[in-house]
Amino acid sequence: DSGVTQTPKHLITATGQRVTLRCSPRSGDLSVYWYQQSLDQGLQFLIQYYNGEERAKGNILERFSAQQFPDLHSELNLSSLELGDSALYFCASSVGNTNSPLHFGNGTRLTVT
Amino acid sequence: AQTVTQSQPEMSVQEAETVTLSCTYDTSESDYYLFWYKQPPSRQMILVIRQEAYKQQNATENRFSVNFQKAAKSFSLKISDSQLGDAAMYFCAYRSDFKGGSEKLVFGKGMKLTVNP
Repeated sequence: DSGVTQTPKHLITATGQRVTLRCSPRSGDLSVYWYQQSLDQGLQFLIQYYNGEERAKGNILERFSAQQFPDLHSELNLSSLELGDSALYFCASSVGNTNSPLHFGNGTRLTVT
Repeated sequence: AQTVTQSQPEMSVQEAETVTLSCTYDTSESDYYLFWYKQPPSRQMILVIRQEAYKQQNATENRFSVNFQKAAKSFSLKISDSQLGDAAMYFCAYRSDFKGGSEKLVFGKGMKLTVNP
């Protein structure tokens, strides 16, 4: 068990809808990262937060947004969903501001129909 | 921007044999970290091994070892005495040394390893 909790495990929704994915980092970790894993694109970095502030942004679509709350949990919001957004979304956490390793959650499987 | 390339999408190995997974990367940085992650069917991302670029000695973790060639920007993973439980997707990943920036990982596209009994 990595200590990183992601909910829900599975999500099925229709095109055009909006969903929220949730991540609770390991105790003591201040950084949260979001990744998208699809068959054709592999693992793509979306965004990183450190202690509530955005630290780095990757290939995140404008329809997607994220935030990290004062209790350090993070949410990834996906709106105007398209079929191509179907993927496995991972959250990872680390201590932050160090070279400490990333610990991954078990992912949320999103299916857009 | 850094890139990671895993040119072999699939490999297979007989149980108890040795297999080597290849990875190359591109960077202009001198300080960085390299990783191999394993993703079994359970889909969890599991850290297998880590290499610091400033260390000349290759990292080892039990049956897993790496061949790190900094000048060639090559980072291969050797699995000795392969076991059925080693069957998984394997991802090579790059991470910049922390200097006040992001510690994000850049992943290769992965390689599917099959272990035959």
